[in-house]
Amino acid sequence: KNEVEQSPQNLTAQEGEFITINCSYSVGISALHWLQQHPGGGIVSLFMLSSGKKKHGRLIATINIQEKHSSLHITASHPRDSAVYICAVKRGSQGNLIFGKGTKLSVKP
Amino acid sequence: NAGVMQNPRHLVRRRGQEARLRCSPMKGHSHVYWYRQLPEEGLKFMVYLQKENIIDESGMPKERFSAEFPKEGPSILRIQQVVRGDSAAYFCASSPGTGDYEQYFGPGTRLTVT
Repeated sequence: KNEVEQSPQNLTAQEGEFITINCSYSVGISALHWLQQHPGGGIVSLFMLSSGKKKHGRLIATINIQEKHSSLHITASHPRDSAVYICAVKRGSQGNLIFGKGTKLSVKP
Repeated sequence: NAGVMQNPRHLVRRRGQEARLRCSPMKGHSHVYWYRQLPEEGLKFMVYLQKENIIDESGMPKERFSAEFPKEGPSILRIQQVVRGDSAAYFCASSPGTGDYEQYFGPGTRLTVT
């Protein structure tokens, strides 16, 4: 079993829909990251969080440390949100990230 | 403030050749991480370096792969005697420290071994 599991693997939505991507992890962490990988391959960091909730524009990320679970929400989705969304966790004092396999999102106009 | 720079963006090597991938971290960042993304797979950690030191190389293949981050200049990921299975996207990321800092990713180097 992977240390970081994401669901769903693939997600197709209509423009304007509310989207939720889930991430569960099985190890102790100091922080969780949500990343976006565009079709061209570049990776952008969306959020880093260790508790509670963060919001940036139409994106919201939440984390429940007790349940070892995080969600990424996209409100009013748009075709330009189409990308792979990756959850990654940082374990304690170690510097490196452990990644989920990603969720491929496609938003249709 | 330029972001993380990687070059080349695309690299084609024949089996048995050497590949050198370069990463210049963001200004003020002294911590560099290398990750590999094999086709249709997720990102995997390879190595974590600070200036002149390898901190964690637990994700590096035991043979043919090496990394350095000299006092001056970019970090280098070196793959000797490349094989087809080395074809992947190699990303580097940088951060200013080991605490809970964000890691900023470079655009990646796509290595193709023919």
